[in-house]
Amino acid sequence: QITLKESGPTLMKPTQTLTLTCTFSGFSLRDSGVGVGWIRQPPGKALEWLAVIYWDDDERYSSSLKTRLTITKDTSRNQVVLRLTNMDPVDTARYYCALRQGEYGSGYSSWGQGTLVTVSS
Amino acid sequence: QSVLTQPPSVSGAPGQRVTVSCTGSSSNLGAGYAVQWYQQLPGRAPQLLIYANNNRPSGVPDRFSGSKSGTSASLAITGLQAEDEADYYCQSYDISLSGVIFGGGTKLTVL
Repeated sequence: QITLKESGPTLMKPTQTLTLTCTFSGFSLRDSGVGVGWIRQPPGKALEWLAVIYWDDDERYSSSLKTRLTITKDTSRNQVVLRLTNMDPVDTARYYCALRQGEYGSGYSSWGQGTLVTVSS
Repeated sequence: QSVLTQPPSVSGAPGQRVTVSCTGSSSNLGAGYAVQWYQQLPGRAPQLLIYANNNRPSGVPDRFSGSKSGTSASLAITGLQAEDEADYYCQSYDISLSGVIFGGGTKLTVL
């Protein structure tokens, strides 16, 4: 059974750096074609893709947020970490991590429940 | 403004067929990149419904189908049920943005 769970702060102040951890089970980031990505969703709004990291250490970022994002992985601990610098109230959103497997094309086949991050002074 | 354009809402009566459109451009769907569809039930995480244009993951009812032609894609739902009431998102890749893109989402209301 594949599971993913996001963890991190729920309340941030402007200019702070957000660090979110995705802890997963049921698959390995050592397996060819596997990637873990982050997607966010502001309240009442659409999904926005942020970043993905693959089994071979390849990292891809949203072009609009690239300068603020860093994604890393700890394969031995089954974790992926996302950092977003210089937080702003517009970054208030539910942040999801999700699994990308080659057998599902470029789709994200399993998702965590998400974690709501609020940015407010 | 999303790169992939979806109607904000669609509706249908139980048992009917509805479609959700997703319009892109020459830098995404028109460039041959596949489309995925997700269903997001109220208060829940999105769930992959269709991948690679017209494929269903195991467990997804065959009432859901996808198609793609040129710069557009569609999700069709037949035999509409009350439990289908949700938000639906299309997703693809854009070569100009060098990244994954989502549509703005479509809210399906079952009348």
